[in-house]
Amino acid sequence: DAKTTQPNSMESNEEEPVHLPCNHSTISGTDYIHWYRQLPSQGPEYVIHGLTSNVNNRMASLAIAEDRKSSTLILHRATLRDAAVYYCILRSVGGGTSYGKLTFGQGTILTVHP
Amino acid sequence: DTEVTQTPKHLVMGMTNKKSLKCEQHMGHRAMYWYKQKAKKPPELMFVYSYEKLSINESVPSRFSPECPNSSLLNLHLHALQPEDSALYLCASSQDHIQVLNQPQHFGDGTRLSIL
Repeated sequence: DAKTTQPNSMESNEEEPVHLPCNHSTISGTDYIHWYRQLPSQGPEYVIHGLTSNVNNRMASLAIAEDRKSSTLILHRATLRDAAVYYCILRSVGGGTSYGKLTFGQGTILTVHP
Repeated sequence: DTEVTQTPKHLVMGMTNKKSLKCEQHMGHRAMYWYKQKAKKPPELMFVYSYEKLSINESVPSRFSPECPNSSLLNLHLHALQPEDSALYLCASSQDHIQVLNQPQHFGDGTRLSIL
C-alpha cells in the first residue's frame, strides 16, 4: 500500500491560514488523496479529496503537486474548532487488496492558539 | 450532530461477558464499516459490509463477530474479550464500497470499550 508522511504536529494562531503538508512519494496513478480530521472525542470527519487538480470546498482547499508526490491541505482562516488530528490518506481505485480501503496514517495534530 | 449513531457510548465488560455494539444510519448507504482505535493511534479497519454481505475481514480474531441485519444496521458482537481489546470502536458508512469509491465515509462518534 502506498504510504503517506505527515508532520507529527503543527501550531497556528486563530484566523491565520494553515498549510498542512503530506508526502506520498509512492502514490500510484489510481490513488485518490483524501483528508479526514478527528476532533477530540469524535469520530473522523471527511474534509476533502482530489486526484490531480486542486480542489476547494466550504471547509478547505487541497493543493496537489504536479508530480502528485505531495499535497497540502489549506485551512484559510483557522478557528479554535479546527484543532484536531488531520489525516492524509491514499484511497486506491486500482484493484488489489487495498481496493477502496481508507488506511489511516499517524496524522498531524493541529493546535490553534487564540 | 453525526448521522451515524452508535450505542452505547461507553461500555465496561468483563472478559467472560457477551455484549454487542450497535450502529445505525438512515442515509441510504449500502456500505458499512467497523474500525478500532487505540488511544493516540489512528483508526484501523476491522470489517467492511457491502450490500449486507461481509466484504472485508482484516484478520480480526473470532471473539469479534460482525452482523449486518439490514442496510441501516450494523452490529458487533463481543465475546471473551481480552484487556488489550479496550479501545474506541468506530462505525462508518458510505454510499457504496466499490462502485462509488470516492464518496466520503461518515463516522459515528464511537463506543469506548473497557475490558476488565
